[in-house]
This record gives sequence, structure tokens and C-alpha cells, in this order.
Amino acid sequence: AQTVTQSQPEMSVQEAETVTLSCTYDTSESDYYLFWYKQPPSRQMILVIRQEAYKQQNATENRFSVNFQKAAKSFSLKISDSQLGDAAMYFCACHTGANSKLTFGKGITLSVRP
Amino acid sequence: DTEVTQTPKHLVMGMTNKKSLKCEQHMGHRAMYWYKQKAKKPPELMFVYSYEKLSINESVPSRFSPECPNSSLLNLHLHALQPEDSALYLCASSQDLYRGNYGYTFGSGTRLTVV
Repeated sequence: AQTVTQSQPEMSVQEAETVTLSCTYDTSESDYYLFWYKQPPSRQMILVIRQEAYKQQNATENRFSVNFQKAAKSFSLKISDSQLGDAAMYFCACHTGANSKLTFGKGITLSVRP
Repeated sequence: DTEVTQTPKHLVMGMTNKKSLKCEQHMGHRAMYWYKQKAKKPPELMFVYSYEKLSINESVPSRFSPECPNSSLLNLHLHALQPEDSALYLCASSQDLYRGNYGYTFGSGTRLTVV
């Protein structure tokens, strides 16, 4: 089974600045997918970005990008030009076909200062 | 339609009541999930349905009873709950159990309070 670790419970960023959220994972599978989900106070889990393990190129979605270091089993999320609407809880997650489960990290609460 | 719809959004029930949570998706997804989430914690998997059959039960107490009437609908029947069952209940769907490459689509949840 896979494990996902988010060691920082909270972070804060100034509006318009850049912030990086850390995540490490562990799995014995070679075929897996990594995700960052955002959960604002409205509570819906929203998929922010995904990364296929077999792709070396880091995924990018507008202001969101990842730094995927496969050997180090690290998958950090960078948010550029932070906006007030980015304030939320962010969960890192890993899915493998082997156990058919999406495993979440503990999450990190991001606050954005105006 | 790229949404998972959950009803009701809020539910208050007594410990002797029977209620049901509903989840619906029309994306053609063949795997559907129930999660329980406490405040400031990650979602915890409860049940997984694959092609309308129960595939995974994460040792959930029998006071929670899932049902999948068809490929678009997922219910969670609640009976004789305890106050500690108060939580956000999230429904999710994915293409199927094994192809997680597109991630799961989540509903906005039902906030359940047991009194």
C-alpha cells in the first residue's frame, strides 16, 4: 500500500507571491498517479493538478505547477501569483491500480494575506 | 455533465432515526466511493462500488449501509448513528477502479450532525 506524507500543517503566503507546498510519497508500484486536491471552506474537493509517474515532465495548470522528483519520491505544488481564492486546505494524493485506492496525505491549510 | 451531485447538503438526525444520503453522477463513471471526513482531516474511505457491485468495505459499522441501484446512483443508508458519526460525507466517482489517471470527481458533500 502507498503512503503520502505532508509534514507542514499550515502555511501562509502574501497575495501575489509564490508558495510551495511539500509532499512525499512511498509506493512499491511502478504505475501510479499523483494529485493535488484543493478543499475550500465550501468543502468540495477540487482537483488542482495531476502527474503521471511515467512522465518526466512536470505538470502545469495555469498558476499551479508541480516539482516531481521521482527518485526522491517528492511531489511539491507551487502556486504562483497567489490569490485570496487560493486559501483552502490542500491534499496531496496517490493512486495505484494495484490497490485501487486514492491515498491522501494529512493536508495543509494555506492562508493568503491581502 | 462533469459533476457529482449530493443531497441533502445538510442533515441533522437523532440517534434513533433512519435517513439516506444520495449521490448521482452522469459521467459514465463505473466506480463510486463514499468517504467520511472530519474537520481538518483527510477523507477516510468507507465503501467502493465497481460496476454496481460492492468492491471494498473498509470495516465500516453496520449502521452504515451502502446501496448502488444503478450505474449513476449511490446511496448511503443511515440507522442508529452515534454522535461521533457526525462528519462531512463525501461521494466521489472515477472512470473505474484501476484507471485512476484522471483522479476522482468529488461531490460537495453532506454535512451530517447526529444529536
